[in-house]
Amino acid sequence: GAVVSQHPSRVICKSGTSVKIECRSLDFQATTMFWYRQFPKKSLMLMATSNEGSKATYEQGVEKDKFLINHASLTLSTLTVTSAHPEDSSFYICSARPYLAANTEAFFGQGTRLTVV
Amino acid sequence: AQSVTQLDSHVSVSEGTPVLLRCNYSSSYSPSLFWYVQHPNKGLQLLLKYTSAATLVKGINGFEAEFKKSETSFHLTKPSAHMSDAAEYFCVVSYGSGNTGKLIFGQGTTLQVKP
Repeated sequence: GAVVSQHPSRVICKSGTSVKIECRSLDFQATTMFWYRQFPKKSLMLMATSNEGSKATYEQGVEKDKFLINHASLTLSTLTVTSAHPEDSSFYICSARPYLAANTEAFFGQGTRLTVV
Repeated sequence: AQSVTQLDSHVSVSEGTPVLLRCNYSSSYSPSLFWYVQHPNKGLQLLLKYTSAATLVKGINGFEAEFKKSETSFHLTKPSAHMSDAAEYFCVVSYGSGNTGKLIFGQGTTLQVKP
């Protein structure tokens, strides 16, 4: 099946620094990728929709200047958490669906555990 | 507004007994429906999907789900639970155009399997 690779799987950073998370579709192209945040024992909250070659669409309440999204190619989207604070510590997951196939499921990355100290 | 409701936040069964995880959705048109499983600190794995074909959908690891439009439900079942089934399960609905549509997640159900 299709594979979405997310890197890094785990990162610890200091408050005030920025962290970049990569999401790659390894064997398919995706014009759209999605970024989620998951709190402990909670469901996935959609943060933003990443659009190849254009600006990302952010969900209500998500700070676009804090969570920078870039979708430079059909196989790569990045999420940068800028000026990270301890409250940004969370599990971040990306997903993508092959854009040439109809009604396919979404494929998810392995997730990134971010800890801000 | 579209929404997904998983009726049980926690389900506990004994190994070898049936599993039922309940999911209801609200939609103004026929959605695509999915069940995903998540093991601790891992990504999500697709169990099965419904995309307006057969209403009874069979998935991996012995799971299946039935789409009932009249009840707006898509409950997940398995005849006999295995210890390895213990995980978090998400009912997911897809709306919007094709594969750029958003996914709406249910709140999740934690499945505990007792020996």
